[in-house]
Amino acid sequence: GAGVSQSPSNKVTEKGKDVELRCDPISGHTALYWYRQSLGQGLEFLIYFQGNSAPDKSGLPSDRFSAERTGGSVSTLTIQRTQQEDSAVYLCASSLGGTIEAFFGQGTRLTVV
Amino acid sequence: KQEVTQIPAALSVPEGENLVLNCSFTDSAIYNLQWFRQDPGKGLTSLLLIQSSQREQTSGRLNASLDKSSGRSTLYIAASQPGDSATYLCAVKGGTGANSKLTFGKGITLSVRP
Repeated sequence: GAGVSQSPSNKVTEKGKDVELRCDPISGHTALYWYRQSLGQGLEFLIYFQGNSAPDKSGLPSDRFSAERTGGSVSTLTIQRTQQEDSAVYLCASSLGGTIEAFFGQGTRLTVV
Repeated sequence: KQEVTQIPAALSVPEGENLVLNCSFTDSAIYNLQWFRQDPGKGLTSLLLIQSSQREQTSGRLNASLDKSSGRSTLYIAASQPGDSATYLCAVKGGTGANSKLTFGKGITLSVRP
């Protein structure tokens, strides 16, 4: 596609449920990042993929969070047993290589009620 | 640990003014620095990327400079317009190599008054 695509754009879930957020990077981009942006806060790094491997997953806040990337393309961020503090906008970005310009998707707004 | 600071957090200027947005970072061992724009409720739009070997980049009314040794970057906006109103974020990549994350500042929210 022309840009980074994220789905869904909005997700409302009940506390305790699991959610999956999807990111389709720009075709051919090997690097993929996940970030979280809470209301009034800066961008919080979650995980970085190069191809299908994740050399930096230091930002995942707890073991309830996991992410995978298959075929060097689509990535899924999974949050298990969601909590209210997980409510945020989850942003995905991709770049052609590790040192090249990063492009962001429009984000998934997650609300845990 | 890399830290990126953007001060002030908010700025209001009259239309037509030239302005400078500042960004500072603590670890000068960076691969590149990128400036983004974020409109309310939207994702980030890339404005300019400066590689560590470069001093500046220009795109239209925007000019970004990088002084790696002093840990500073500036985004210069010429002849500001109400449509420039948005939050501007800078991010640096590096410290541990090409596989390192982008570290963001908290952004500067710019309001350009007609």
